[in-house]
Amino acid sequence: AQSVTQPDIHITVSEGASLELRCNYSYGATPYLFWYVQSPGQGLQLLLKYFSGDTLVQGIKGFEAEFKRSQSSFNLRKPSVHWSDAAEYFCAVGALNNNDMRFGAGTRLTVKP
Amino acid sequence: GAVVSQHPSRVICKSGTSVKIECRSLDFQATTMFWYRQFPKKSLMLMATSNEGSKATYEQGVEKDKFLINHASLTLSTLTVTSAHPEDSSFYICSARDINMNTEAFFGQGTRLTVV
Repeated sequence: AQSVTQPDIHITVSEGASLELRCNYSYGATPYLFWYVQSPGQGLQLLLKYFSGDTLVQGIKGFEAEFKRSQSSFNLRKPSVHWSDAAEYFCAVGALNNNDMRFGAGTRLTVKP
Repeated sequence: GAVVSQHPSRVICKSGTSVKIECRSLDFQATTMFWYRQFPKKSLMLMATSNEGSKATYEQGVEKDKFLINHASLTLSTLTVTSAHPEDSSFYICSARDINMNTEAFFGQGTRLTVV
């Protein structure tokens, strides 16, 4: 069965510091991986996705993620965090040939001034 | 990217009444739509998958008579919470995809339902 684990429930970083949010997945087939961001009371915004090809994926807002098959990971990174990045971040795994998308529990990011 | 519009964004209803939430794909044909429920500070839980013109497939533990889903056209799916109770208060999010497009599903902005 497919699953997504985000080990960190809450992370606090200082503005300007680097960020890495962890995501591990379990999936029986070739995974399609996503990172979404959600501000309070809002829907989901897609940050980036990995389907195939280059394992380092660039997304919006300066985010990037690296797919590591050997580690079953898809960690999200940003070199310098901005106060506006404070939000909830969700990793998700799915496939294009079926309708199932599973979400991790989310990581809440707090940015200190 | 493709746009999915969800309406209303917020709704308050009295216990025992029903409330309908709409999910529309604005610039593509949504052959499949998904309905999620999100509890406070929790992740998204898939409730059901609806395919245009057929009955929705509900996840285990989701009451199909409680959460009625209709996907009558390629651009509209509705979720009706029947005989709502305070425990139904939650954030409901839909997503839609075109099975013929090689892309992921696109999410609506969500609906905050409060049952008083």
